[in-house]
Amino acid sequence: SAVISQKPSRDICQRGTSLTIQCQVDSQVTMMFWYRQQPGQSLTLIATANQGSEATYESGFVIDKFPISRPNLTFSTLTVSNLSPEDSSIYLCSVEEQGAGTGELFFGEGSRLTVL
Amino acid sequence: RKEVEQDPGPFNVPEGATVAFNCTYSNSASQSFFWYRQDCRKEPKLLMSVYSSGNEDGRFTAQLNRASQYISLLIRDSKLSDSATYLCVVNMRRVTGFQKLVFGTGTRLLVSP
Repeated sequence: SAVISQKPSRDICQRGTSLTIQCQVDSQVTMMFWYRQQPGQSLTLIATANQGSEATYESGFVIDKFPISRPNLTFSTLTVSNLSPEDSSIYLCSVEEQGAGTGELFFGEGSRLTVL
Repeated sequence: RKEVEQDPGPFNVPEGATVAFNCTYSNSASQSFFWYRQDCRKEPKLLMSVYSSGNEDGRFTAQLNRASQYISLLIRDSKLSDSATYLCVVNMRRVTGFQKLVFGTGTRLLVSP
């Protein structure tokens, strides 16, 4: 199974600033997924990050607010821009085991963001 | 209607009890189904996949009813360590060929001594 490291594990930010979350995988993967889990809610897919192309955003999420980088097959970043208290959430990076086709996702431990 | 719906609970059960969770999904084209477990302040982890014929893994049994668009998870002989939130997850393959996993809001289980 893939091992995923996310940084930072938690942060407290002022409104109007931005936070960049890093995700490092111990193996090469084609797609990386960024999820958000708001307090008391389930996971919502923000975008799918493919290496060498623009990320694909889900309805309700836009690149200006959540820019994503995917410079290689083991790394991605998600930036949450122009922060507001509504952005307080856990952000999770995930991957599907390469070639498995099982639909099983492996998740990083998440980055807990609090916006004041 | 939500794509994946679950009873949020919590389900409070004593050790040794049998408990069942249900989940319904809206997209009849959904192709694969899973139960994930999420402990407090932890990331979700796959508990088991759900197959059309039903499948069992130790004390856990998962079943799928495609006609009713309904998934279930049965836990027998509950342990204190089973206390967690159980997420129903549906894999909806899109026309592009890429998949999208849609998570239910989860059912919280509390097993007490």
